[in-house]
Amino acid sequence: NAGVTQTPKFQVLKTGQSMTLQCAQDMNHEYMSWYRQDPGMGLRLIHYSVGAGITDQGEVPNGYNVSRSTTEDFPLRLLSAAPSQTSVYFCASSLISGTADTQYFGPGTRLTVL
Amino acid sequence: GESVGLHLPTLSVQEGDNSIINCAYSNSASDYFIWYKQESGKGPQFIIDIRSNMDKRQGQRVTVLLNKTVKHLSLQIAATQPGDSAVYFCAEGGGATNKLIFGTGTLLAVQP
Repeated sequence: NAGVTQTPKFQVLKTGQSMTLQCAQDMNHEYMSWYRQDPGMGLRLIHYSVGAGITDQGEVPNGYNVSRSTTEDFPLRLLSAAPSQTSVYFCASSLISGTADTQYFGPGTRLTVL
Repeated sequence: GESVGLHLPTLSVQEGDNSIINCAYSNSASDYFIWYKQESGKGPQFIIDIRSNMDKRQGQRVTVLLNKTVKHLSLQIAATQPGDSAVYFCAEGGGATNKLIFGTGTLLAVQP
């Protein structure tokens, strides 16, 4: 299994541009989530999904959209990038929904918004 | 609000020594705890977990201790190696949710 994969690894955007960060997992995990990691702060939850067709907001959802059309994929869309969205983004997945369980992380996407 | 914190932001140890990384959690309803290791430029990697019905769990060279009375979690690494140098995060979760709350991390620096 490849585990959790993310593309791209690095991205530079100009303010106002839009883009999609890709995340895929091949472990048949129900639960998937997106976090951002900023210096001196813990991982903060942006959006999550407990299964295909179901998404919900996390702690810091503003400026981001998600969809979950398949079990494997969970893309994160930045609608109009802002410098405050400069961060490292991690996608994670876990087997079981509805209970706290180990989340496995992808390698991350480092995003810079100018 | 609920939070997970670490007592020591940086821990420097000599190669071969044992390391202890501490974590305090504030939500007494949390029943699941995880330690992650994050190397520079990589995503967090699962190390070990423990549920609230246990107070100790051992893995390969690592031990997690849970003290629910004082809401404290620790990660012990035996015979620390240079490859253990990384940032270590604790996370807590609980109830009918997959949501985890992460601490800010402790940097473990292993001196040769």
